[in-house]
Amino acid sequence: NAGVTQTPKFQVLKTGQSMTLQCAQDMNHEYMSWYRQDPGMGLRLIHYSVGAGITDQGEVPNGYNVSRSTTEDFPLRLLSAAPSQTSVYFCASSYAGMEGEYFGPGTRLTVT
Amino acid sequence: AQSVTQLDSQVPVFEEAPVELRCNYSSSVSVYLFWYVQYPNQGLQLLLKYLSGSTLVKGINGFEAEFNKSQTSFHLRKPSVHIRDTAEYFCAVTFRGHTGFQKLVFGTGTRLLVSP
Repeated sequence: NAGVTQTPKFQVLKTGQSMTLQCAQDMNHEYMSWYRQDPGMGLRLIHYSVGAGITDQGEVPNGYNVSRSTTEDFPLRLLSAAPSQTSVYFCASSYAGMEGEYFGPGTRLTVT
Repeated sequence: AQSVTQLDSQVPVFEEAPVELRCNYSSSVSVYLFWYVQYPNQGLQLLLKYLSGSTLVKGINGFEAEFNKSQTSFHLRKPSVHIRDTAEYFCAVTFRGHTGFQKLVFGTGTRLLVSP
């Protein structure tokens, strides 16, 4: 199993540009999540999904969109990038939440 | 609301010494507790978890943690650390007893620095 994969690994955007961060898992997990990691703030939940076609907001959803058309994929869209969205983004998946989440390697995003 | 506090942002220690990383949480309901490790430029890896049962939980790489309900703590320990244990460690908590997705709340992390 590849586990949780994320692309790209690094990305530089200009303010106002849009882009999609890709996330895929091959473990047939129902639950998938997106987090952002900022220095001194730990990880904060952006959006999550409990299955194909079902998504909900986390702690910091503003400026981000998600959709879940398949069990495997959970892309994160930045609609109009802002410098405040400079961060490391992690995708995670789990079978049933309480078992702990499996994390991808992360995408380091810089918005200038 | 749940919150997780990791009071130590950085813990320096010499190789082969014991270490304890502290984690306290606030919640009025029962919780599940986790410790994750993040090596430089990598994602998070689950070290261990407490769901129920024995309060002493053993994880990977020789780490263990003890759940203390009265003190709402879940401190991580290792009796003898190695250079390769240098990493950032995150404590996380989620609600127990809910159906469906259970959101993880993370602490701000503790950087363990092991020197020779």
